[in-house]
Amino acid sequence: KAGVTQTPRYLIKTRGQQVTLSCSPISGHRSVSWYQQTPGQGLQFLFEYFSETQRNKGNFPGRFSGRQFSNSRSEMNVSTLELGDSALYLCASSFGNMNTEAFFGQGTRLTVV
Amino acid sequence: DQQVKQNSPSLSVQEGRISILNCDYTNSMFDYFLWYKKYPAEGPTFLISISSIKDKNEDGRFTVFLNKSAKHLSLHIVPSQPGDSAVYFCAASTNNDSGTYKYIFGTGTRLKVLA
Repeated sequence: KAGVTQTPRYLIKTRGQQVTLSCSPISGHRSVSWYQQTPGQGLQFLFEYFSETQRNKGNFPGRFSGRQFSNSRSEMNVSTLELGDSALYLCASSFGNMNTEAFFGQGTRLTVV
Repeated sequence: DQQVKQNSPSLSVQEGRISILNCDYTNSMFDYFLWYKKYPAEGPTFLISISSIKDKNEDGRFTVFLNKSAKHLSLHIVPSQPGDSAVYFCAASTNNDSGTYKYIFGTGTRLKVLA
């Protein structure tokens, strides 16, 4: 079956701009989680969506937001970009209603200049 | 507050020997633990998991051990191969009060297997 697809793979934006990243989960998965990876910081949890509802949220400012559509596809938006937002953004999909593994996409590498 | 900690940022092991990666957690509500492997410019790949009702789970060369009283888990890779060189993340999850599942990751350990 198809894996988790993230688009775009690479993105360069300037400070102050906004950006939207997309994630298509594995068919049948209803949960999509977003993570930010920066050097030395591991995978920082942003938020998780399940059936179009945000269920969990990490400790990120309000400039980071997301949504999930009825087909479980999810988008993440970052407004008023800062240099520190440069990172690899990963999404993970899972069933979301049982203890099971989550599957990751290849990520979107965002560079803010 | 880092609920899942991997205190060794890097580890080097000779090919054929055992690699042991460690992970500590602070939240006693965690009941499911996972290990992921990550190569540069790729997303993490699931390796192995363990439920809190077990203390060991084995899959080929990979074994995960869980010590609930110490809030510690470890991943053993035997024998280590050069292709195992990657960053390894441990993660924990809990079915919290609202019935949701949230995965908390450690900061990762970079494993280098020397040929």
